[in-house]
Amino acid sequence: AAGVIQSPRHLIKEKRETATLKCYPIPRHDTVYWYQQGPGQDPQFLISFYEKMQSDKGSIPDRFSAQQFSDYHSELNMSSLELGDSALYFCASSLGLGRGSYNEQFFGPGTRLTVL
Amino acid sequence: KNQVEQSPQSLIILEGKNCTLQCNYTVSPFSNLRWYKQDTGRGPVSLTIMTFSENTKSNGRYTATLDADTKQSSLHITASQLSDSASYICVVTTSGTYKYIFGTGTRLKVLA
Repeated sequence: AAGVIQSPRHLIKEKRETATLKCYPIPRHDTVYWYQQGPGQDPQFLISFYEKMQSDKGSIPDRFSAQQFSDYHSELNMSSLELGDSALYFCASSLGLGRGSYNEQFFGPGTRLTVL
Repeated sequence: KNQVEQSPQSLIILEGKNCTLQCNYTVSPFSNLRWYKQDTGRGPVSLTIMTFSENTKSNGRYTATLDADTKQSSLHITASQLSDSASYICVVTTSGTYKYIFGTGTRLKVLA
């Protein structure tokens, strides 16, 4: 079965550079979520999109922006990168905002961002 | 404040042994509780899901329990294997907003 695809899997950037992470949800999933997971920490919710519109916002820094495109893939744009942005960035997808008692989010493998 | 706490923080066991991981939550309103397995550097993969009315759910060697009254859950791993070495994350979903509230995870290491 098709899963959530994230690219790139690894990314190394210098401070103050920009980075773009991409997420391709499971086919027919219309909701995408972005999470940031620092070393030894639980995932922190950044932002989510449903039908190409922002559906919820978490602890996403102002330096970051994201959008969902007509084919439902999403991109997380990160500017003025800081050392503290080094983390594993997960994308998850679900169907219909994950409504219902089994509102499951399916996670991608993550993109490991290292800022030097 | 919605919180999910897990214990122990880390655990080392020998291959073939059983272990039990704990999850306590203060999440309201409650929708469901999931246990995820996360291999190092990979995305979390769902093991079990339980709603309010379910108190036991099994998935192979993994058995999860839920006590909605005390707001506690456990994940029991039977006859552990080296491949069970991973972080196990308890995630509680709120009803209405469907937010995922993540626990801090238990890092399990299975030794040969």
